[in-house]
Formats: sequence, C-alpha cells, structure tokens
Amino acid sequence: QKEVEQDPGPLSVPEGAIVSLNCTYSNSAFQYFMWYRQYSRKGPELLMYTYSSGNKEDGRFTAQVDKSSKYISLFIRDSQPSDSATYLCAYHTGGFKTIFGAGTRLFVKA
Amino acid sequence: NAGVTQTPKFQVLKTGQSMTLQCAQDMNHEYMSWYRQDPGMGLRLIHYSVGAGITDQGEVPNGYNVSRSTTEDFPLRLLSAAPSQTSVYFCASSSGQSDTEAFFGQGTRLTVV
Repeated sequence: QKEVEQDPGPLSVPEGAIVSLNCTYSNSAFQYFMWYRQYSRKGPELLMYTYSSGNKEDGRFTAQVDKSSKYISLFIRDSQPSDSATYLCAYHTGGFKTIFGAGTRLFVKA
Repeated sequence: NAGVTQTPKFQVLKTGQSMTLQCAQDMNHEYMSWYRQDPGMGLRLIHYSVGAGITDQGEVPNGYNVSRSTTEDFPLRLLSAAPSQTSVYFCASSSGQSDTEAFFGQGTRLTVV
C-alpha cells in the first residue's frame, strides 16, 4: 500500500465552481499536512499547511484534515482559470522526510 | 532574493556519463533536499542535508551522491547516468525545525539516452 494516495485526475471544472481535491494516507505518525501547487514546468509552491485535524482557511482555499480517517482535502472556492495547475498533497512526521502524493491535475475553464 | 536556483535547466546525457546538478539558495536555510519527479510517481526524496557537512539518504538514493560544504550550495552528482535517471529534478530548501514550508527551484529536466 502506498503511503499516500491521490487521484491523478485530470479534473476539469467551469470557472466559479467549488473544487474538492483529496488525499488519503496510511501512516498514522504523520503530523504535518501540506498542499503544494505546481504550474506546468515550474517547481511546487506551498499553498497551505496544517498541524492537526480540523479546517484552515486562507482566502479562497480551505484545507481540511481528518486524522481519524487519514484523509485530507483542499477546497477551492470561486475557482479561476489561474488555478489550473497540479495540486500535490504532502505529509511528514515532524522531521525532514516529506512524502508527496502524485498530484491531481486541475483545469478551470473560462 | 533569488530563492532557490538550479542549473542547468535542461540536460541530455549519454548512458555512463557523469554530471553535477547545481543548487544554490540565498535564504540562509539550513535544510536542503533533492527530489526527482516522474509521471504518476510524485516527488521522491533522493538526498537531504540538515546543515553544512551533514547529509543523509532519502527514498531513492542509489546512483546519486551529494555533499554540503556551505550553507548555500547543495550539488547533486550522477555517478554513471542510466536511462532510468531520466526525470525532472527539484532542489528545495527550508528553515526551522522541519520541512513544513519548502521552497523549490525551477527544476532540471534530465534526459539520459
């Protein structure tokens, strides 16, 4: 079983839609949960990170962590064409070995 | 600030050749790491360093060497390139006690023929 499972997509939505991106993980020792955004032919950039279960909001983005189900989500409200990118979930246990999901490709159509 | 700078951006190697991918950061970060990104595989950690003179292996270290003589630089050496090392390589750095907020370079696209 992979440590992190993420649906590769692609996910195509119209502009203004609410987008839900999800990951599941198997290692209960994971404590830090991150979402990175990666535009084509660019390096990943951190969107959000959370330490515990619950929700964290930043503008149009909300990260949700359910440690009991080993499930994390990223919601994007009022999606824009500029949100078209690959979204990577990532985890680590508090140290320096981060585990990344394979990424979900998102297309937001104008 | 330039952030994390990787050179070269593109490289084609023949099987058996060696080369060094360069990575430099100007944020005075202690932690630096190298990843490779392959389709459907996500980012996989090759090697990492928690400070000058200290390096350790990640998930896929075979065929790669690293050293960290300064805080700023963390080069990745391919000893004898193989087609299986065709990939996009990313260098990252982060501050603090963990890798929660990593800053990535723009990547090096390597093809081994």
